[in-house]
Amino acid sequence: EVQLVESGGGLVQPGGSLRLSCAASGFTFTTYWMHWVRQAPGKGLVWVSHINSDGSNTNYADSVKGRFTISRDNAKNTVYLQMNSLRAEDTAVYYCARDRGYSYGYYHFDYWGQGTLVTVSS
Amino acid sequence: EIVMTQSPATLSVSPGERATLSCRASQSVWSNLAWYQQKPGQAPRLLIYGASTRATGIPARFSGSGSGTEFTLTISSLQSEDFAVYYCQQYNNGPFTFGPGTKVDIK
Repeated sequence: EVQLVESGGGLVQPGGSLRLSCAASGFTFTTYWMHWVRQAPGKGLVWVSHINSDGSNTNYADSVKGRFTISRDNAKNTVYLQMNSLRAEDTAVYYCARDRGYSYGYYHFDYWGQGTLVTVSS
Repeated sequence: EIVMTQSPATLSVSPGERATLSCRASQSVWSNLAWYQQKPGQAPRLLIYGASTRATGIPARFSGSGSGTEFTLTISSLQSEDFAVYYCQQYNNGPFTFGPGTKVDIK
């Protein structure tokens, strides 16, 4: 059974940093691209970032470029999102999601974690 | 950036009735469109990709159609578990944008 379990969310002050983790199991992690998608309270879904299967290719939404960094540790079956210079508008539930493609990025998502809430507030 | 719009914002339907949800892209996305279902407090679930292909385990009452800029998700006979918010997402061009969602609630 595919499982994605996020952790690392919490309350942080504006300008602060947080690192999210997503532990994957139930599939061959090393062959799938992974993404982060966020959802502000009561709002819709916004794609944030992707990373390819070996970590050599990443991309970001303009709203987080230069502040967020996605990475992965294939030995630990884990993907990360390092979030720096956080703003109030970054407040959201952050979901880790698996790309439906096998060894290729299709940019839509067949499995999602349960999400972790990040609140940026003083 | 491709802007996705969905209509209606809310659709009130009785159980057993048919529901038709619309999604429009600001420019052609060919058939690179997915639909997701999200229930309160839960993560989204992939329903449809490639505009019309059901994802693994999705019941046949869910069907998708369309290409280019106009897409439709049809739920042929609504079950109690189908009352949720539905999002479309284009994956033709980055950034990979979602629509604002259609809430399907009980009439």
